[in-house]
Amino acid sequence: QQQVKQSPQSLIVQKGGISIINCAYENTAFDYFPWYQQFPGKGPALLIAIRPDVSEKKEGRFTISFNKSAKQFSLHIMDSQPGDSATYFCAATYFGNEKLTFGTGTRLTIIP
Amino acid sequence: EAQVTQNPRYLITVTGKKLTVTCSQNMNHEYMSWYRQDPGLGLRQIYYSMNVEVTDKGDVPEGYKVSRKEKRNFPLILESPSPNQTSLYFCASSPSSGGIPLEQFFGPGTRLTVL
Repeated sequence: QQQVKQSPQSLIVQKGGISIINCAYENTAFDYFPWYQQFPGKGPALLIAIRPDVSEKKEGRFTISFNKSAKQFSLHIMDSQPGDSATYFCAATYFGNEKLTFGTGTRLTIIP
Repeated sequence: EAQVTQNPRYLITVTGKKLTVTCSQNMNHEYMSWYRQDPGLGLRQIYYSMNVEVTDKGDVPEGYKVSRKEKRNFPLILESPSPNQTSLYFCASSPSSGGIPLEQFFGPGTRLTVL
């Protein structure tokens, strides 16, 4: 029940296109959903996060869409750029859990 | 500069030879954690600590030990490493709020190979 399923495992998008990464969870207690971005040779870094009281959160070209009834959330990267090429991890937790459960990661490559 | 440091960055060792990977943070964070990253498996939590002298198991604690004697340090100990512990290890710290680790700040990683 703590699992977070992430897809696709890898994704190739043309420059200027929209990159979409999906995550699904089972535990309805989860109430905090962050996305982390990891560049090669670096540790992950927080990109954007959402609470389930909103269905969408946007920061620049990055948007999280959240569907509580379907227990799914996704990351959309608009106007994808080569500098967005990285591995993206979704994650989930809930207040009092003390632990953050990560998805398996998506390797995104933006081609010119 | 606010950061999480890990040492060593790279380590090749042999089965059964005890090793310690150090982790230190200078942000006065309450929460610290260790993860391992493996292809296709993502980031899996090994141990975490909510505060000094308080540690708890994550999802894959077998074969690892930790201690939290000071707020800034959280070493990971492999008493008898085995080849299945070959992995990329990350230490992370976070200001905790209401029992939830908020933004986690990750170290640069330690690539461990056990022969």
